[in-house]
Amino acid sequence: QPVLTQPPSASASLGASVTLTCTLSSGYSNYKVDWYQQRPGKGPRFVMRVGNGGIVGSKGDGIPDRFSVLGSGLNRYLTIKNIHEEDESLYHCGADHGGGSDFAWVFGGGTKLTVL
Amino acid sequence: EVQLVESGGGLVQPGGSLKLSCAASGFTFSGSAMHWVRQASGKGLEWVGRIRSKANNYATVYTASVKGRFTISRDDSKNTAYLQMNSLKSEDTAMYYCTRSSSAFDVWGQGTKVTVSS
Repeated sequence: QPVLTQPPSASASLGASVTLTCTLSSGYSNYKVDWYQQRPGKGPRFVMRVGNGGIVGSKGDGIPDRFSVLGSGLNRYLTIKNIHEEDESLYHCGADHGGGSDFAWVFGGGTKLTVL
Repeated sequence: EVQLVESGGGLVQPGGSLKLSCAASGFTFSGSAMHWVRQASGKGLEWVGRIRSKANNYATVYTASVKGRFTISRDDSKNTAYLQMNSLKSEDTAMYYCTRSSSAFDVWGQGTKVTVSS
């Protein structure tokens, strides 16, 4: 099954932009990845799904237009423009693998975004 | 309002058991696959397992570290999913979330905390 790698931390100033990266392990470049936002003390919230061609399906409920995704090779990116204080969160990427009794879901380690 | 509410967490000794519940409302629970995901303090998310709907024979699958110790079940008449945890270890200490999967994990609960310690 794939391994998803995320940098543990990122930071950006209010009003600036930041791009978070989720890297799939070799051989999984066709995999779609989901991004989840987790604010402090809260459960995760679906942001959107991304494949090599970009967004797959619709954004999660209430996700603003400031959030966008791109996919390239083994990398899946989440870009946040015009950063707000409320964007300070832990961002997780995840993907499913296999089917039937071999089904599994894997997550990256998460990236903590600090808004300066 | 679409909602999931977990309950049943607490402090348990190593080797003990605990049963978590996940009460659903606001959507057709019986047609949904339900998953459990956990998060140790300060760590990332870890998928625990999944139960599919009746149409898919309530099929279950688990991550390797809990296979044989944890069991996911559901009662569609009560709109509730369960996670039975046996032979608990210190490394099972985490916040446990239930989540619905449609095309993605689009609904999450607020979590229930499980601490395994003597």
